[in-house]
Amino acid sequence: DARVTQTPRHKVTEMGQEVTMRCQPILGHNTVFWYRQTMMQGLELLAYFRNRAPLDDSGMPKDRFSAEMPDATLATLKIQPSEPRDSAVYFCASGFEVQPQHFGDGTRLSIL
Amino acid sequence: GNSVTQMEGPVTLSEEAFLTINCTYTATGYPSLFWYVQYPGEGLQLLLKATKADDKGSNKGFEATYRKETTSFHLEKGSVQVSDSAVYFCALSDSPQYGNKLVFGAGTILRVKS
Repeated sequence: DARVTQTPRHKVTEMGQEVTMRCQPILGHNTVFWYRQTMMQGLELLAYFRNRAPLDDSGMPKDRFSAEMPDATLATLKIQPSEPRDSAVYFCASGFEVQPQHFGDGTRLSIL
Repeated sequence: GNSVTQMEGPVTLSEEAFLTINCTYTATGYPSLFWYVQYPGEGLQLLLKATKADDKGSNKGFEATYRKETTSFHLEKGSVQVSDSAVYFCALSDSPQYGNKLVFGAGTILRVKS
């Protein structure tokens, strides 16, 4: 089965450091979503892209977060500088047109 | 705006018990409805979907029927197993033209005891 691949699976770093999370969507999918999951807030949509163009990033703190798709096989989510409140599991999902989204296994981020 | 409300958990059942997890939604138009399942340490997986009123989605013994009159999409299974222990999310498609952007409920934890 085709899968969405996220790297790294786990990341522990100190406050103030830059964090980059990567996502390889399923080949042929044209929509990519970034989510953040925490116990308190549940699943939040941070940003999403269609055909590599950003459609909505209103869920993302703009001062420290950025999301890009350098090419069709790679999406990145960066946090600079990171803060302890950014600790969460970050999921990437990809989809095609009206088909359901497929999720990766997530990046578990801990900011000390 | 569009929203999804799920019953609060955790739901704790014995093996072979009947499962119902309630889900209601608020939406304009005619959204598609989904149930996703998340096992520990993994991402969400699509469990089943329904795209129009009265459709029944089913998979792995789970079922849910799209009820427009009650704006509901309750998840049911006749006999749960320990392996069904997971978090279940109800969702609706908010913007089909934007690759099925989803609105999720808060999730319901299911624990099945042997």
